[in-house]
Amino acid sequence: SQQGEEDPQALSIQEGENATMNCSYKTSINNLQWYRQNSGRGLVHLILIRSNEREKHSGRLRVTLDTSKKSSSLLITASRAADTASYFCATAGGTSYGKLTFGQGTILTVHP
Amino acid sequence: NAGVMQNPRHLVRRRGQEARLRCSPMKGHSHVYWYRQLPEEGLKFMVYLQKENIIDESGMPKERFSAEFPKEGPSILRIQQVVRGDSAAYFCASFRTGESTDTQYFGPGTRLTVL
Repeated sequence: SQQGEEDPQALSIQEGENATMNCSYKTSINNLQWYRQNSGRGLVHLILIRSNEREKHSGRLRVTLDTSKKSSSLLITASRAADTASYFCATAGGTSYGKLTFGQGTILTVHP
Repeated sequence: NAGVMQNPRHLVRRRGQEARLRCSPMKGHSHVYWYRQLPEEGLKFMVYLQKENIIDESGMPKERFSAEFPKEGPSILRIQQVVRGDSAAYFCASFRTGESTDTQYFGPGTRLTVL
């Protein structure tokens, strides 16, 4: 598997439900970031968690990081149709200049 | 304060032509990354440049691809003799010297289609 691999590849839920996406990585990291990409559009930075942090919140987003398992999860609570997008995790590590390694992404579809 | 700008947003080329993609980083930013996103995939690092210097080009294909970030003007990603496999979205990101390298700002991307 590749560095920063997301699971599941696709997730379909109803509005109001929670969505959980997971990301696994292989090498040591400085931080892990989550991005959203709407179809055919650019990247929107959602949240960053550093290697010495275990959990972080931002609005309806909750990110956890388990460095012992080399994994992270992104939880979106009370999902909305507007949350429909692809979600990518990206890890930074191994260089001093923040080069990012992206996963394959999870396609989230929220049905109204 | 304008964000990272990329142009063109869409570029169509025939096989064998050259493609030039431009990235204007945010004001005051002197570091630029280029990433490529193939259809249905995540972004892959291509190259990291500072003004007038290529710092890391480990993700660049060995042939036909080149990048520069001159003292004045935008960063340019150049693809010579394009092939269908070059069809992808190309994103650049920038950050400022002295700012945390965590804080990368992404442009909207250039979508290259090779016919």
